[in-house]
Amino acid sequence: EAGVAQSPRYKIIEKRQSVAFWCNPISGHATLYWYQQILGQGPKLLIQFQNNGVVDDSQLPKDRFSAERLKGVDSTLKIQPAKLEDSAVYLCASSLNVAAGTGIEQYFGPGTRLTVT
Amino acid sequence: AQSVSQHNHHVILSEAASLELGCNYSYGGTVNLFWYVQYPGQHLQLLLKYFSGDPLVKGIKGFEAEFIKSKFSFNLRKPSVQWSDTAEYFCAVNWRSSNTGKLIFGQGTTLQVKP
Repeated sequence: EAGVAQSPRYKIIEKRQSVAFWCNPISGHATLYWYQQILGQGPKLLIQFQNNGVVDDSQLPKDRFSAERLKGVDSTLKIQPAKLEDSAVYLCASSLNVAAGTGIEQYFGPGTRLTVT
Repeated sequence: AQSVSQHNHHVILSEAASLELGCNYSYGGTVNLFWYVQYPGQHLQLLLKYFSGDPLVKGIKGFEAEFIKSKFSFNLRKPSVQWSDTAEYFCAVNWRSSNTGKLIFGQGTTLQVKP
């Protein structure tokens, strides 16, 4: 079974530029998460999708971050414009179907390491 | 606010030493508990989980964890560590009241095992 795929693996941009990250969850997983992991800290949830609907985006800085999962499969997270403090690893995770109560274990992708200069 | 604390930020052990990593969460309510591990250059992997039942749970690679409800704790243990256990370990908690599966992570513990 293929795991969670993410691209790119690394990205370096200047502040005020925009960037986008892509995630493809495990096949059949209805729930998808984006986390931000700053160096020395644990992952922090940015947004959670159930199929193509947003379940929780309470910690997403909506003035600069956006995310979508239009067809309920893969997802894109965008930052525009980027700030220095956005330097972090962006992790995507998926689980089988939290809403149905079947499988809440989250499986993580390799992450995208973003450096903002 | 919901929070998760890991007591040790950096642990250094020799091979064959015993390991215990502490994890506490902020307050009660029914919880699901997880330990994740991140080996160097690899992604986060689930080590073990607790949902209900026997508070002593066994995971992969000889790890186990004990849930003590009265102490809001879920400590990770291994009787004898190996060099290959060198990694970063994260405790994560899902409060069922959220109904979302949302995980709150601790800040992580870096374990270095000397051969």
